Amino acid sequence: GQQVMQIPQYQHVQEGEDFTTYCNSSTTLSNIQWYKQRPGGHPVFLIQLVKSGEVKKQKRLTFQFGEAKKNSSLHITATQTTDVGTYFCSPRGGNKLVFGAGTILRVKS
Amino acid sequence: DTGVSQNPRHKITKRGQNVTFRCDPISEHNRLYWYRQTLGQGPEFLTYFQNEAQLEKSRLLSDRFSAERPKGSFSTLEIQRTEQGDSAMYLCASSLPDRTHYGYTFGSGTRLTVV
Repeated sequence: GQQVMQIPQYQHVQEGEDFTTYCNSSTTLSNIQWYKQRPGGHPVFLIQLVKSGEVKKQKRLTFQFGEAKKNSSLHITATQTTDVGTYFCSPRGGNKLVFGAGTILRVKS
Repeated sequence: DTGVSQNPRHKITKRGQNVTFRCDPISEHNRLYWYRQTLGQGPEFLTYFQNEAQLEKSRLLSDRFSAERPKGSFSTLEIQRTEQGDSAMYLCASSLPDRTHYGYTFGSGTRLTVV
């Protein structure tokens, strides 16, 4: 099935700083979804990327899908304490989404 | 519909006992998934239903685990003869068909502790 590597595993930023997490695959992905899981919570769907080179924005969050559809990124501008959590990029593997360990984001206020 | 509902929220059981969890998905979602998540890890796929048909089951899932979705609505996950290694958060998710862009909606999970 599809596997992705997400980096960094963990990042601690000062409130107001930017944050980026990268998702890399050795194979071409049909699509990729991003989820956020707050501490003690459950994963919440953020967005799906399907097209090569696609860029989507949600307020301070910018999602990109690489031209070769082998990588993706999530960039958060001017982080806030509400951004804390684990961010997962999840490709589709057959009938289901595959989740890696994600990137843990901590924000110092 | 307020989302995916899972019961119970917490379950503590003694090793060797059987447990059953319930998931009520969003009513118009025909796809239902069970995942397991341990601390510091992402959700691990267990099984998938489309309507009442169980179409995929993880090879990692032992035969102590069984899931049903008898009428294509709610689903149950049963673990027989629980072991300490079964302690985890069990997440249920539902979704519309792939052609939509709405992703999975997860429930709040059932946290199982085997003592």
